Amino acid sequence: DVKVTQSSRYLVKRTGEKVFLECVQDMDHENMFWYRQDPGLGLRLIYFSYDVKMKEKGDIPEGYSVSREKKERFSLILESASTNQTSMYLCASSLMETQYFGPGTRLLVL
Amino acid sequence: AQKVTQAQTEISVVEKEDVTLDCVYETRDTTYYLFWYKQPPSGELVFLIRRNSFDEQNEISGRYSWNFQKSTSSFNFTITASQVVDSAVYFCALSEDLYGNKLVFGAGTILRVKS
Repeated sequence: DVKVTQSSRYLVKRTGEKVFLECVQDMDHENMFWYRQDPGLGLRLIYFSYDVKMKEKGDIPEGYSVSREKKERFSLILESASTNQTSMYLCASSLMETQYFGPGTRLLVL
Repeated sequence: AQKVTQAQTEISVVEKEDVTLDCVYETRDTTYYLFWYKQPPSGELVFLIRRNSFDEQNEISGRYSWNFQKSTSSFNFTITASQVVDSAVYFCALSEDLYGNKLVFGAGTILRVKS
């Protein structure tokens, strides 16, 4: 079974803090993804990575950066958290055109 | 530009009823993938099905079935004899990328199945 884990289920941060969201997959997948999910908008792609140290912007990269130093780990970084980044963040990894998702991190920025 | 529309925001049914979730997509490509995912209250998206644009055969998996019609750009999902455990948010998604990257999701349909 594919296993994608995220470091936290719930997170509360203050405006201006630097926030790290971690994602780990155990299936040696090449591709990894970060999405945010907001009511009425579905999931929107922030960034994805198709190899170690390789990344590509998704549809809404502003305010975010990513890091992939090891194949199994993909980090999403909010350099200076803002209230409009309060959301559910979902990580995924893919094999053969299908993406498998982690449980999500619900981030609240106060 | 690609787009996925799930016009039904929320559907409520009583257990054992059949229910169909609609999905309409827009794409200029002739080669693409369509997906359905289920998101139960736990939050994790669960992959249900992938269909490529060259395969218009309908698919059945237990109580789940999918109707893909290129002529109407629709990929509808039917649950037969619904159960309370089917309560979830269901997402339809489209990828023009041959590797399945860059998924575009619909807004999702909340399905509530009451006992």
